[in-house]
Amino acid sequence: EPEVTQTPSHQVTQMGQEVILRCVPISNHLYFYWYRQILGQKVEFLVSFYNNEISEKSEIFDDQFSVERPDGSNFTLKIRSTKLEDSAMYFCASSGDRGVGETQYFGPGTRLLVL
Amino acid sequence: ELKVEQNPLFLSMQEGKNYTIYCNYSTTSDRLYWYRQDPGKSLESLFVLLSNGAVKQEGRLMASLDTKARLSTLHITAAVHDLSATYFCAVTSWGSQGNLIFGKGTKLSVKP
Repeated sequence: EPEVTQTPSHQVTQMGQEVILRCVPISNHLYFYWYRQILGQKVEFLVSFYNNEISEKSEIFDDQFSVERPDGSNFTLKIRSTKLEDSAMYFCASSGDRGVGETQYFGPGTRLLVL
Repeated sequence: ELKVEQNPLFLSMQEGKNYTIYCNYSTTSDRLYWYRQDPGKSLESLFVLLSNGAVKQEGRLMASLDTKARLSTLHITAAVHDLSATYFCAVTSWGSQGNLIFGKGTKLSVKP
């Protein structure tokens, strides 16, 4: 069964460093998302991406964040200068169509720890 | 602003008992989702509910949607230990690009 994959599974970085989180969505999906979950809290939407551009972003997704689909398979989230409060689990998700109720499939997540 | 509230946030049940988790949302939504999350793991899709009166069942779990009341329920029948997990409901708002707004989750613990 097709699945969303993410790398790395864990990342430890120093405050102020740049990190890139990578995702490979399900191959025939068109809509891509990033969410984050601070430990023990709810899942929060960051950004959605369709047709090679950002569709929607939340207030969390400020100028420190960017997304890219550099080739036909990868979808990346970059944090330019990490802060302590960026420590969280980051989930990538993909769906085939947002309009007909198709579910979003989540990847296993990348646990980011900023020291 | 679309808000999603779940209750209870914590639920301790005995095996064999029935219980219901409630999910209220604040504005009109076109889709409602239920996800399961085991500790340290990703989110597993359980149900997608699209219309008023929709009911879906999978094993011991049954989800329903009342769009007029802006309420979804997840009913657990004859709970077993394997159902222990955190359950999230999530909605999308009209006109959004499909981004999910999650509730805080209900942490379910089923004890023998």
